[in-house]
Amino acid sequence: SYELTQPPSVSVSPGHTARITCSGDALPKQYAYWYQQKPGQAPVLVIYKDSERPSGIPERFSGSSSGTTVTLTISGVQAEDEADYYCQSGDSSSTYMVFGGGTKLTVL
Amino acid sequence: QVQLQQWGAGLLKPSETLSLTCGVYGGSFSAYYWSWIRQPPGKGLEWIGEINHSGSTTYNPSLKSRVTISVDTSRTQFSLNLTSMTAADTAVYYCARFAHDYGGDFWGQGTLVTVSS
Repeated sequence: SYELTQPPSVSVSPGHTARITCSGDALPKQYAYWYQQKPGQAPVLVIYKDSERPSGIPERFSGSSSGTTVTLTISGVQAEDEADYYCQSGDSSSTYMVFGGGTKLTVL
Repeated sequence: QVQLQQWGAGLLKPSETLSLTCGVYGGSFSAYYWSWIRQPPGKGLEWIGEINHSGSTTYNPSLKSRVTISVDTSRTQFSLNLTSMTAADTAVYYCARFAHDYGGDFWGQGTLVTVSS
C-alpha cells in the first residue's frame, strides 16, 4: 500500500524557521495538503495544492514541492505553532487518500 | 458558516458494528466529497473512505471488507458503518468535507469510539 513518510519530530526555537518534510513516490503526480492538529482538536488545513494557503492561515505558513518530497515551512515560529502536522495526498491513480504518519513540532 | 456535527455510540463490544452519522449544516452538499477519518489514541490519522452526493464511494483498501459509507442527501447527512469491531478499532472518528484540489476544510468534532468487552 502507498505510504507518505514524515519525520516523527522537529524542534525549533521561537522566531526561527521550521521545515517538515513528507516523502512519497506519487507526490510528483499528486497534490499534497498539510494539516495542523493541536491536542484534543480536529485537524486544521494550513496548506493545499502543495503551496496554497487557505484564508485565515498566517503568512508564516508556506509549502513547496520538489520531486518526491513536499515541505511545510513555518517562518518565525511562535509558541502557538507547537502541534502535530500531517501531510495528505493520493495514490498515483487517485484511487484513495493517504495521510503521513505525522510530525510533532516542538517549540523550545 | 459550514458545520459538521457527528453522533453515534461511543462504546462497543468486540464483534459489534460501529454506526456513526455526520450532519452537514450550511454550504453546498453536492459539490464535495464527504469522508470519514480515524485516529487511534496517541497515533496518526487514517483515512477510512469517502462518498459524494450521488452515492459514489471509495474505501481504504485495508478496511474495505468491513466498511460501508452511505449518504442521505435529503437530510444532508452521511453515515459510517464498520463491522466486526475489535480493540484495534478504538479511535477518535472524524467526519470531514473534502473539496477537489482543496483538501479537508471542515471537520466534525470527533467521536471517541472504544471497543471493550
